[in-house]
Amino acid sequence: EVQLVESGGGLVQPGRSLRLSCAASGFTFDDYAMHWVRQAPGKGLEWVSGISWNSGSIGYADSVKGRFTISRDNAKNSLYLQMNSLRAEDTALYYCAKAKGSSGWYPISYWGQGTLVTVSS
Amino acid sequence: AIQLTQSPSSLSASVGDRVTITCRASQGISSALAWYQQKPGKAPKLLIYDASSLESGVPSRFSGSGSGTDFTLTISSLQPEDFATYYCQQFNSYPQTFGQGTRLEIK
Repeated sequence: EVQLVESGGGLVQPGRSLRLSCAASGFTFDDYAMHWVRQAPGKGLEWVSGISWNSGSIGYADSVKGRFTISRDNAKNSLYLQMNSLRAEDTALYYCAKAKGSSGWYPISYWGQGTLVTVSS
Repeated sequence: AIQLTQSPSSLSASVGDRVTITCRASQGISSALAWYQQKPGKAPKLLIYDASSLESGVPSRFSGSGSGTDFTLTISSLQPEDFATYYCQQFNSYPQTFGQGTRLEIK
């Protein structure tokens, strides 16, 4: 059974940093691309970032480019999101998500339950 | 970035109704489009990928069509468990993007 368990969320002040982690199990992690998708309270889905199976292809939403960094450790079956210079508008539930294939040219096939990030002073 | 515009934004329908949701891309994305269903407090669920391929385990009353810039999700006969919010997503290129969502409510 596929499991994606996010951690690292919490309350943080504007301008500070936070690192999210996602522990994956139940599938061969290094066969699949992975993504972060967020959802602000009461709002729609926003794709944040994606990374191919071997970290060779990475993409970011314009809203986070230059502030967020996605990475993965295939040996640890883990996905990460380093979030710097956080803003109030980054407040959201952050989902870790597994793609249907190895690159960014596949849809998301499975989602974790999310970790909540609140940016407020 | 490619923009996806869904219509309608909300929709009221009855059990047994046939419902169609559309998604228009700001530029051509071939067939690189997926549809997701999200219920309150839950993570989204993949329904359709590659515009018209039904994800394993998804009921056959769900179908998708289209290519290029215009796409549709059709539910042939609404069931009580189908009342939810639906999103389209393009994965043709980075940055990937989602439509704004269509909330399907019980009439």
